[in-house]
Amino acid sequence: DGGITQSPKYLFRKEGQNVTLSCEQNLNHDAMYWYRQDPGQGLRLIYYSQIVNDFQKGDIAEGYSVSREKKESFPLTVTSAQKNPTAFYLCASSILPGRITSTDTQYFGPGTRLTVL
Amino acid sequence: AQKITQTQPGMFVQEKEAVTLDCTYDTSDQSYGLFWYKQPSSGEMIFLIYQGSYDEQNATEGRYSLNFQKARKSANLVISASQLGDSAMYFCAMRVRSNAGNNRKLIWGLGTSLAVNP
Repeated sequence: DGGITQSPKYLFRKEGQNVTLSCEQNLNHDAMYWYRQDPGQGLRLIYYSQIVNDFQKGDIAEGYSVSREKKESFPLTVTSAQKNPTAFYLCASSILPGRITSTDTQYFGPGTRLTVL
Repeated sequence: AQKITQTQPGMFVQEKEAVTLDCTYDTSDQSYGLFWYKQPSSGEMIFLIYQGSYDEQNATEGRYSLNFQKARKSANLVISASQLGDSAMYFCAMRVRSNAGNNRKLIWGLGTSLAVNP
């Protein structure tokens, strides 16, 4: 089965700690994305990557970091610099934007709910 | 400004009836794409349907259809023959060009909560 997996499903963090959220896909997609969802709000883009070893900041990158060492994996680290990290985090992937046959449809994982204690 | 507006915070529909969820958009791009996603209480965002700005026919996927009115800048989702499992949040999103390069981004609406009554 092809798809996107995120782990853990629930994560609790103490203030001042860094935590890393995992995202893996076996869809052979080039592009991967991290979003944050807060209650009553739409999704906001944190980081995205179109190719291995390259990534760009989204709209709310401050306090977050990512890496893209493998095509299949795009982990997100929530650092202690992120002042209000409690939220639902969604990872997505798509065929590389710009290919003629691509509609850029993003497919999502099941999400990780992060709570700061 | 590029924006998606979903004016219905919550909607109710009787099982087996049809329901329309509204979405209006604002962009100056000539080339854009419109998406609808479903988010059940489990949290996963499920892709439902896509409409490209140059597509002349309204998109359909099973019980889902997209009523695309370009001049009005609206892309309403129609769900026919509602089922109890359709109860969820529904998000409209628009793909636009994010900068002068080939990068694109999705602009998201705030969502509509749909409840299907038995």
